Amino acid sequence: DAGVIQSPRHEVTEMGQEVTLRCKPISGHDYLFWYRQTMMRGLELLIYFNNNVPIDDSGMPEDRFSAKMPNASFSTLKIQPSEPRDSAVYFCATLGDSGNTIYFGEGSWLTVV
Amino acid sequence: DAKTTQPNSMESNEEEPVHLPCNHSTISGTDYIHWYRQLPSQGPEYVIHGLTSNVNNRMASLAIAEDRKSSTLILHRATLRDAAVYYCILRDVRGVGTGGFKTIFGAGTRLFVKA
Repeated sequence: DAGVIQSPRHEVTEMGQEVTLRCKPISGHDYLFWYRQTMMRGLELLIYFNNNVPIDDSGMPEDRFSAKMPNASFSTLKIQPSEPRDSAVYFCATLGDSGNTIYFGEGSWLTVV
Repeated sequence: DAKTTQPNSMESNEEEPVHLPCNHSTISGTDYIHWYRQLPSQGPEYVIHGLTSNVNNRMASLAIAEDRKSSTLILHRATLRDAAVYYCILRDVRGVGTGGFKTIFGAGTRLFVKA
């Protein structure tokens, strides 16, 4: 299996622009998580899905952030409009039914200037 | 959510054992103890998990206190590749209805390994 695949790996964008981060989960994994990591705040859970349905989005920082999972093979995290304080590494992760192991992607490194 | 407490950093010499502690005094009976580690510029990766009994795998051992209020991740022979941030987290696996799979990471312990 290719693991959790995220794109883009790196993105530099200007403040005010829309940013879309993409994630392809491991096939058969029913849970999908979006995390954000910064030096100041560490690894924060933004939102997670079960069977494509958002279960808990209490970690989403504000209305500028939105996440969707239109099918079992794809999820997006969108920031509109982006701000410099959104600069971070965004990780997508998935969990299978066994409930034991969370698999992380390599992350999307976002810089907003 | 039950919380964990870990030292900010630890240092070890290469090829010596490392004991990484974690306190989780408010752990509930349905919380599993999981350990992940994050190598530089990578996403976290699973290391080991357990409920009550000590556990061993090819990466590490997990020693769980009898009252389950603390645990220790043991790397038997540290190598330079083990330099990473190690996270101890609790996961309630009763199911989605109880928020069971909501997985929160703390600050972790940064392990430095000296050659």
